[in-house]
Amino acid sequence: NAGVTQTPKFQVLKTGQSMTLQCAQDMNHNSMYWYRQDPGMGLRLIYYSASEGTTDKGEVPNGYNVSRLNKREFSLRLESAAPSQTSVYFCASSAWNTEAFFGQGTRLTVV
Amino acid sequence: AQSVTQLDSQVPVFEEAPVELRCNYSSSVSVYLFWYVQYPNQGLQLLLKYLSGSTLVKGINGFEAEFNKSQTSFHLRKPSVHISDTAEYFCAVSERAGRRALTFGSGTRLQVQP
Repeated sequence: NAGVTQTPKFQVLKTGQSMTLQCAQDMNHNSMYWYRQDPGMGLRLIYYSASEGTTDKGEVPNGYNVSRLNKREFSLRLESAAPSQTSVYFCASSAWNTEAFFGQGTRLTVV
Repeated sequence: AQSVTQLDSQVPVFEEAPVELRCNYSSSVSVYLFWYVQYPNQGLQLLLKYLSGSTLVKGINGFEAEFNKSQTSFHLRKPSVHISDTAEYFCAVSERAGRRALTFGSGTRLQVQP
């Protein structure tokens, strides 16, 4: 039972480069989320998708775009990476009225 | 909108001692409450949750938490900690109706010393 799978686990980008973080869940959850984790700030919501075909901005959406490709997959794209986007990114999913399940994270460094 | 305040950024404690990690929240709507644990270089794992019913909830690894609506608190406790409990602990809330995305506190690092 894989749960929530994120790829890649590590990535180094140069300023201005683009990349897509992939996330897939096998628990048939409707809702999916992208968070970033920075020291001393907990996890902050970037975007979320309440159901297939819908996305909504979270607390820190600037510089990111998302795609809910189908019920299983929710990708996060950085169009032009900046050093301020150096962070650990977590994908999560949940069913209605249950807790969220998290992936193992992607550690991104922008130089 | 909601906010979560974890009052201690670090809590050092000796092995087999009791511990309490404090969490206060603010919300204009009714919320669900959660505690998650993060071990080094790993994702977040649910410790326990309060959805409804008894205000004292028990979770994994011997942890428990008490929901206090009047004080808007959800403090986490363990009567006797182990070295293996060393980790970062996050308190989180989500709306009962509407958007279910979690709002997290800034985390408390529990350091268990021998």
